[in-house]
Amino acid sequence: GENVEQHPSTLSVQEGDSAVIKCTYSDSASNYFPWYKQELGKGPQLIIDIRSNVGEKKDQRIAVTLNKTAKHFSLHITETQPEDSAVYFCAASGILTGGGNKLTFGTGTQLKVEL
Amino acid sequence: GAVVSQHPSRVICKSGTSVKIECRSLDFQATTMFWYRQFPKQSLMLMATSNEGSKATYEQGVEKDKFLINHASLTLSTLTVTSAHPEDSSFYICSARVRATLTQYFGPGTRLLVL
Repeated sequence: GENVEQHPSTLSVQEGDSAVIKCTYSDSASNYFPWYKQELGKGPQLIIDIRSNVGEKKDQRIAVTLNKTAKHFSLHITETQPEDSAVYFCAASGILTGGGNKLTFGTGTQLKVEL
Repeated sequence: GAVVSQHPSRVICKSGTSVKIECRSLDFQATTMFWYRQFPKQSLMLMATSNEGSKATYEQGVEKDKFLINHASLTLSTLTVTSAHPEDSSFYICSARVRATLTQYFGPGTRLLVL
């Protein structure tokens, strides 16, 4: 099955700096890569996603890049703000034999944006 | 749009009792819903995939007789933890997949504490 590795596990940045979180996946058949932000005690919130036919996607201060050959994808947050502090999860999804799909999650990155 | 609700948000019960958690997609139809479990400071672990009108598909190691899933309509799935024990205490989160897409939106989670 799919295996997703995520680094770093914790990341501290100064307000206004950029933050980069990286993930690798094992199944070359995976074709959908979402990123979720989870605040303490809450459910994950989808912040951006990318499909395998696209190399990069940007939404304001957030961008995701995908390298299918190397099987890794990254989340980039620019001009970080204190409210960006949360746990971020990457995930990978592929089409299952017989239909359907499921997400395999990375281990999470605790991002702390310091004033 | 794409709002998923869960009820209750938290529940405390005695060992041996059963607890039902509801997951609703409020503004879209979800032919597929997913149930996850999350321990403190850990990633999300998929428990089962719930398809409307059919039996749920459970992940390896998840007891289907203990975690009963019903997906009776396109907007509602329920998870019943039967004969709950302290080791079942956890954060349970559902997600709903937008029809004909790969996108999953998560509910706010249910904190279960079994005494």
